[in-house]
Amino acid sequence: GAVVSQHPSRVICKSGTSVKIECRSLDFQATTMFWYRQFPKKSLMLMATSNEGSKATYEQGVEKDKFLINHASLTLSTLTVTSAHPEDSSFYICSARPLAVSYNEQFFGPGTRLTVL
Amino acid sequence: AQSVTQPDIHITVSEGASLELRCNYSYGATPYLFWYVQSPGQGLQLLLKYFSGDTLVQGIKGFEAEFKRSQSSFNLRKPSVHWSDAAEYFCAVGGGYQKVTFGIGTKLQVIP
Repeated sequence: GAVVSQHPSRVICKSGTSVKIECRSLDFQATTMFWYRQFPKKSLMLMATSNEGSKATYEQGVEKDKFLINHASLTLSTLTVTSAHPEDSSFYICSARPLAVSYNEQFFGPGTRLTVL
Repeated sequence: AQSVTQPDIHITVSEGASLELRCNYSYGATPYLFWYVQSPGQGLQLLLKYFSGDTLVQGIKGFEAEFKRSQSSFNLRKPSVHWSDAAEYFCAVGGGYQKVTFGIGTKLQVIP
């Protein structure tokens, strides 16, 4: 149980285009999903917290107009990288916190490798 | 502000040897502590977690961790390492619904 999927697992795009990454909780409902970015040899940096039906909360320094997050249902959150540039190339990981838990245990997706040419 | 320190960025152990990965945290209240493992190009898998109760926590894959409040530590241990344990290990701290903060990670290399 508690499986989170991400799609796509890998994407290559041209500079200036937009890319959408999906995060789904497959066997549980999640009111809250998190989006992280991981740089090489670095830890996970929380980008934003997304709550179903409301606007995402972005961490300081994260451009909300560049990284659009939508959490339209209890099982799906999307991250859209708008007008992507090479510096946006990274490993993006989502996680989901089950509806039923009262603590911040998160289940992670497998990640999406974004390469912007 | 909460923080996590993993002082060892890279550790090499021989297969069959014991392992201890260090983690120190800073948190203003009773912490929720986690250890995750990440294989190359993959997401994170939860090894174990501590919320309360017994300070020695058993996890998956033969791992255990001990919460020591006086030392603000939550070190991960395994008595005998297998080659398949080679991966990156992240310690994390959070509480209730507050943000979870991750350490920088420790990369484990296992040699035959």
